[in-house]
Amino acid sequence: GENVEQHPSTLSVQEGDSAVIKCTYSDSASNYFPWYKQELGKGPQLIIDIRSNVGEKKDQRIAVTLNKTAKHFSLHITETQPEDSAVYFCAASVNRDDKIIFGKGTRLHILP
Amino acid sequence: NAGVTQTPKFRILKIGQSMTLQCTQDMNHNYMYWYRQDPGMGLKLIYYSVGAGITDKGEVPNGYNVSRSTTEDFPLRLELAAPSQTSVYFCASNLGGSTDTQYFGPGTRLTVL
Repeated sequence: GENVEQHPSTLSVQEGDSAVIKCTYSDSASNYFPWYKQELGKGPQLIIDIRSNVGEKKDQRIAVTLNKTAKHFSLHITETQPEDSAVYFCAASVNRDDKIIFGKGTRLHILP
Repeated sequence: NAGVTQTPKFRILKIGQSMTLQCTQDMNHNYMYWYRQDPGMGLKLIYYSVGAGITDKGEVPNGYNVSRSTTEDFPLRLELAAPSQTSVYFCASNLGGSTDTQYFGPGTRLTVL
């Protein structure tokens, strides 16, 4: 079955700098790659997603890139702000399955 | 719309006790999921349902049971609580299955002593 690896587990960046979180997946048939943000005491919430027919997608300060050949995808946050502090999860899924596999999460700290 | 609601928010159980975690969604979603979140371990799928009357096991189903008698409700049952079931439990739902946005509830923090 699908396996999703996520790195790093913890990331600290200065406010205003960029943050990058990387994920790899094992099933070459995976075609949907969402990113979820979890704030303290809350459930995860989708922030951006990408499908396998697209190499990059951007939404304001957030972008996701996908390399299907290497089976990895990344989340990029530019001009980080204090409210970006949270746990971020990547995930991957295949059309034929009914479920999605999550990475173990990255705790992002934005330092003042 | 309230979205996905879960009750209770917190619960402490003694070993061997049983309880039901409630999950309700008002978005008319077909798919519903139960996850557990352990520190540093991400989200592990316990059970899921693709529609009323249909349930299936996820990665970590042992020690749990579910039912889906209506579209809105997807309760998770712990029959004989064990310390290993101490975790935060999230319910989620969506319309289109694995390639669609999942909407999560606020979670239930369960401690088994």
